[in-house]
Amino acid sequence: AQSVTQLDSQVPVFEEAPVELRCNYSSSVSVYLFWYVQYPNQGLQLLLKYLSGSTLVKSINGFEAEFNKSQTSFHLRKPSVHISDTAEYFCAVSDKGAGNMLTFGGGTRLMVNP
Amino acid sequence: DTAVSQTPKYLVTQMGNDKSIKCEQNLGHDTMYWYKQDSKKFLKIMFSYNNKELIINETVPNRFSPKSPDKAHLNLHINSLELGDSAVYFCASSPSQNSPLHFGNGTRLTVT
Repeated sequence: AQSVTQLDSQVPVFEEAPVELRCNYSSSVSVYLFWYVQYPNQGLQLLLKYLSGSTLVKSINGFEAEFNKSQTSFHLRKPSVHISDTAEYFCAVSDKGAGNMLTFGGGTRLMVNP
Repeated sequence: DTAVSQTPKYLVTQMGNDKSIKCEQNLGHDTMYWYKQDSKKFLKIMFSYNNKELIINETVPNRFSPKSPDKAHLNLHINSLELGDSAVYFCASSPSQNSPLHFGNGTRLTVT
């Protein structure tokens, strides 16, 4: 069985400040890791993913996440946030042998204030 | 064009009723899913459907049944609705194993 823990349910931050959204997982097998973003009244959109290779993965809008196997973490970071980054962020994990049966964390609401 | 579309967007109904939520994807994906998001925003997989193979999350009550008339559609039927079924239901699809999921915009179900 797998589980995903997002330690912060809400993260308030001022515009242009750096942010880190924490994600830890537990699994007895090798996993793939994902971050999804959900804007109000919309579905989830893939932000970035780690499947293999370099442990640092980046998105086109400035977010990055680093897979740390020893700490079983996949924290999401951005050096300078914008108002438009306000959304709910979900970390997810899938067993490498189980296709896309994702297990999600409880989500972190990022609130960017002017 | 919407890649994964769900109807209706909102559904309000009384306990005991039977209802359906429709999902269609025009991406040519092989696999479709249903997820449930509860009031605390916690997302949980309900079903995965790939080439007529149905994978069911064992915690899902048998009042919930997915039906796939063809590869582009995966509808969700719910019988004898209960208050605890109130949630947002998301349909998703993916082209293959380990490919990212594409989500619909969700159906907010309210059972009164």
